[in-house]
Amino acid sequence: EAGVAQSPRYKIIEKRQSVAFWCNPISGHATLYWYQQILGQGPKLLIQFQNNGVVDDSQLPKDRFSAERLKGVDSTLKIQPAKLEDSAVYLCASSFGTGNEQYFGPGTRLTVT
Amino acid sequence: ILNVEQSPQSLHVQEGDSTNFTCSFPSSNFYALHWYRWETAKSPEALFVMTLNGDEKKKGRISATLNTKEGYSYLYIKGSQPEDSATYLCAPYGGSQGNLIFGKGTKLSVKP
Repeated sequence: EAGVAQSPRYKIIEKRQSVAFWCNPISGHATLYWYQQILGQGPKLLIQFQNNGVVDDSQLPKDRFSAERLKGVDSTLKIQPAKLEDSAVYLCASSFGTGNEQYFGPGTRLTVT
Repeated sequence: ILNVEQSPQSLHVQEGDSTNFTCSFPSSNFYALHWYRWETAKSPEALFVMTLNGDEKKKGRISATLNTKEGYSYLYIKGSQPEDSATYLCAPYGGSQGNLIFGKGTKLSVKP
């Protein structure tokens, strides 16, 4: 069974630039999560999708972050414009449904200079 | 939002040593707790899902216990090996949608 795929694995950008991350969840998983993990902190949930609908985006900085899952399968997370404090690992995870075990991708390490 | 504490923050042991970490969380409204193992540049890997007070689970040399009444879980590694070097994260369910709330993790380094 293929795992959660993410790309790119690494990205370096300058502040005020834009960046997008892509995630392809495990086939059949209805729930998709984006987490932000800042160095020294635990992963923090940014947004949760159930199929193509948003379940929870309470911790997403909506002035600069956006995410979509238009067809209920893969998803993109965008930051526009990036700030230095956005430097982090962005993890995507998927599960059969809310409350089920989450499977994580390898993450995208973003460095904002 | 739940306050999840993990200790120690980091740990350096020699190969063959046994070690343990602690995860503390609010005991009220407990549903389940997950342990993950995260090696550098790899995906976080699920180790255990624990739900019942007194639960004890084991996978090879790694085991975990759960006390929901006092709000803590222990993770034990017996006879640490260099390949056990990773960050160990615990995550109880919490938040408005019952999502996982992660602690900061314990970073384990095992020297050969």
